[in-house]
Amino acid sequence: DVKVTQSSRYLVKRTGEKVFLECVQDMDHENMFWYRQDPGLGLRLIYFSYDVKMKEKGDIPEGYSVSREKKERFSLILESASTNQTSMYLCASREGEETQYFGPGTRLLVL
Amino acid sequence: KNEVEQSPQNLTAQEGEFITINCSYSVGISALHWLQQHPGGGIVSLFMLSSGKKKHGRLIATINIQEKHSSLHITASHPRDSAVYICAVPEIQGAQKLVFGQGTRLTINP
Repeated sequence: DVKVTQSSRYLVKRTGEKVFLECVQDMDHENMFWYRQDPGLGLRLIYFSYDVKMKEKGDIPEGYSVSREKKERFSLILESASTNQTSMYLCASREGEETQYFGPGTRLLVL
Repeated sequence: KNEVEQSPQNLTAQEGEFITINCSYSVGISALHWLQQHPGGGIVSLFMLSSGKKKHGRLIATINIQEKHSSLHITASHPRDSAVYICAVPEIQGAQKLVFGQGTRLTINP
C-alpha cells in the first residue's frame, strides 16, 4: 500500500515565523503535490513537483516555497507565516496518470 | 483547462437509501477520480476510471466519456458513508495536475 506521511497533524505558529511542512511518500512516485483546503473553496494547488529539484507553481503559490531534494520528500515552506495561511494542508503523490494518494493533512493555525 | 461541476452540493438521506452523486467536466480526459473525505479526516481515493463502470463493495462508479459525465452510486447507504465525496479530473488530457469539484457533502441518518 502506498503511504504518504506528513510531519505534523496539528501545528500552531505565530505570525512571521518560518514554517516547514514535510511530506514523505514510500512508493517512488515521480509527482508530488501540496494543496490547501479551506471551507467553501475546496482543494487548491499550491505547488507541484514532477522530479527531484523540479517544481511548478500551482494556483496559489504566493507566500509559499517548496523543496524537493530527494524523490520521496517534498517540503512546503511558509517564509513568513500570516494569519490568512491558517488552513488544512494536504500533500499527495502520484505516478503518471495513476491513482493519487493523499497524506493525512496538517491543520495549521497561525496566531 | 477543465472545469468540474458536482451535484448536489449537499445531500441528506435515510439509512438504506440509494444515493447518486453526479460529476460533469468540460474537457476530454483519460481518467476521472472519485475521492472520499470523512469529517476531520484525510482524503482517500475510491475509484479511478476511464470507461464503463467500477464496483467496490456498495460503491459503484460509472463514466460516460462522450457525455463528459460520471456518477457515484452508493447502495444500501449507511451512516458511516457520511462524508464529502469529491470528483477530480486532469487539467487537460494527460496532465499530472488534477482539477477538483467542490465536493458533495453526504449525510446518512440512521
